[in-house]
Amino acid sequence: EPEVTQTPSHQVTQMGQEVILRCVPISNHLYFYWYRQILGQKVEFLVSFYNNEISEKSEIFDDQFSVERPDGSNFTLKIRSTKLEDSAMYFCASRKDSQGSAFFGQGTRLTVV
Amino acid sequence: RKEVEQDPGPFNVPEGATVAFNCTYSNSASQSFFWYRQDCRKEPKLLMSVYSSGNEDGRFTAQLNRASQYISLLIRDSKLSDSATYLCVVNRDDKIIFGKGTRLHILP
Repeated sequence: EPEVTQTPSHQVTQMGQEVILRCVPISNHLYFYWYRQILGQKVEFLVSFYNNEISEKSEIFDDQFSVERPDGSNFTLKIRSTKLEDSAMYFCASRKDSQGSAFFGQGTRLTVV
Repeated sequence: RKEVEQDPGPFNVPEGATVAFNCTYSNSASQSFFWYRQDCRKEPKLLMSVYSSGNEDGRFTAQLNRASQYISLLIRDSKLSDSATYLCVVNRDDKIIFGKGTRLHILP
């Protein structure tokens, strides 16, 4: 069964450093998402991406964040100048169309120290 | 008001009991609806889509009432393996919005 894959599974970084979280969505999917979940809290929407551009973003997704689809398969989230409060689980998701269900990757646990 | 609201839980329920989850959404432009399940420190996984006609998958029944903007999930004959957080999810345009989730503990 096709699945969304994310790498790395766990990343530890020093405050102020930049990190890139990587995702390979399901191959025939057209809509891509990043979410984050701080431990014990809800799953929060960050950004949606369709047709090679951001279609919607939340207030969390400020200038510190950017997304890219550098080739036909990868979808990346870059976090610049990381802060302690960026520590969270980051989930990538994809779906085939705008009404269907989304499939999630296993997440990258980001720890900022 | 939050766009998707769920019972805060947790629910502690004996094995074999029936459990009901409720969810309301505030934006009438919401287009499609889902229940996801999330185990501790894992990704959300689709449990079922929700339709106005109601749909059933084994022990699970989901229902949507568009007029009252209400979504429900019923689990019959609950098993220990049903212990998880249940997430009400609403789709509007390109955005997929999660409720905070209701934690379920099935007690042996």
